Amino acid sequence: LAKTTQPISMDSYEGQEVNITCSHNNIATNDYITWYQQFPSQGPRFIIQGYKTKVTNEVASLFIPADRKSSTLSLPRVSLSDTAVYYCLVGEGNAGKSTFGDGTTLTVKP
Amino acid sequence: EAGVAQSPRYKIIEKRQSVAFWCNPISGHATLYWYQQILGQGPKLLIQFQNNGVVDDSQLPKDRFSAERLKGVDSTLKIQPAKLEDSAVYLCASSSPGQGDRGYTFGSGTRLTVV
Repeated sequence: LAKTTQPISMDSYEGQEVNITCSHNNIATNDYITWYQQFPSQGPRFIIQGYKTKVTNEVASLFIPADRKSSTLSLPRVSLSDTAVYYCLVGEGNAGKSTFGDGTTLTVKP
Repeated sequence: EAGVAQSPRYKIIEKRQSVAFWCNPISGHATLYWYQQILGQGPKLLIQFQNNGVVDDSQLPKDRFSAERLKGVDSTLKIQPAKLEDSAVYLCASSSPGQGDRGYTFGSGTRLTVV
């Protein structure tokens, strides 16, 4: 299973764009990259998943370079409610056997 | 659609006591997971069920932890006897076949404190 490395914490201010990068140097050909968000006292919830290039949904964008050894979760114009822990998972898209790392704690300040 | 239900929400026990957690997954979700999340860390998979069969229990401390999923729906996770280091949030998640990493739906967890 590919190991992931993320920054432990990040700070931002309301209205800014936040980019969280995840390194996964040992990603395999069949692996997808998935991001989850976790608020205090709740379980993680799915944000976005991608395989290569760029994926965008109503919540975030995911940028994946050609070598796929890293990925960047982009949150546009964050608000206080985006304060949470963000996890990057790497694994076979339909296997559901990926490992959660320790995540990145994002703190959005007013 | 109803979410993943877990109970109790909180539990405080003394070390060496036993405790059980209950999970009701989303209707129709064949795969059920139990995770342990220690404060400040990401969730760690304890056991994965596919219907009522165990797919992966390689990280389950089998000397004290046990889990079952009778009839392929509800599941219980038991700890006996509990240790101080078992203090954590125990999360249950479910998913449909083929959804893989994008399909986890988590419950709100049970916060266990062992004193």
